[in-house]
Amino acid sequence: KNEVEQSPQNLTAQEGEFITINCSYSVGISALHWLQQHPGGGIVSLFMLSSGKKKHGRLIATINIQEKHSSLHITASHPRDSAVYICAVGGSNYKLTFGKGTLLTVNP
Amino acid sequence: DSGVTQTPKHLITATGQRVTLRCSPRSGDLSVYWYQQSLDQGLQFLIQYYNGEERAKGNILERFSAQQFPDLHSELNLSSLELGDSALYFCASSTISGTDFYNEQFFGPGTRLTVL
Repeated sequence: KNEVEQSPQNLTAQEGEFITINCSYSVGISALHWLQQHPGGGIVSLFMLSSGKKKHGRLIATINIQEKHSSLHITASHPRDSAVYICAVGGSNYKLTFGKGTLLTVNP
Repeated sequence: DSGVTQTPKHLITATGQRVTLRCSPRSGDLSVYWYQQSLDQGLQFLIQYYNGEERAKGNILERFSAQQFPDLHSELNLSSLELGDSALYFCASSTISGTDFYNEQFFGPGTRLTVL
């Protein structure tokens, strides 16, 4: 079993839909990262959080430390949101462990 | 643009060869991380340097080595290359504060290595 599990693996949505991507982890962590990787390959860090909730524009990330679960929400989705979204967790040893990613396709 | 630069963008080489990938962190960032992304394994942490010293090691093969220089740029050396080493190699940088284990990481554009 992977230490970091993401669901769903693939997600197709219509423009404007509300999207949720989930991440569950099995190890104790110091921080959780959400990353976005576009088809060209570049990786952008969206959020780093260790508790509660963060919001940036149409993106919201939440984490429940007790349940070892995080969600990434996208409101009013747009075709430019199409990308792979990757969850990564880090413990006290500075090492990040990554989920396999969720491929999101938003159709116009 | 994250402010992290990586060279070269693409590298094609043969099995058994040795290559060096270079990374320059964002101005002011002391910490550099190297990651490998392959189709079958996904993203994997290789190694982290902080202000010239190795801070953490992940799934880095013995054929691979890295260092961070006084000007804070870092190099990842891959030797005795095998077909399976073909992957995207990312560098990221961050500023670690005294109390946080993690700050946000800023990723470079990656180096795509193809071993033929």
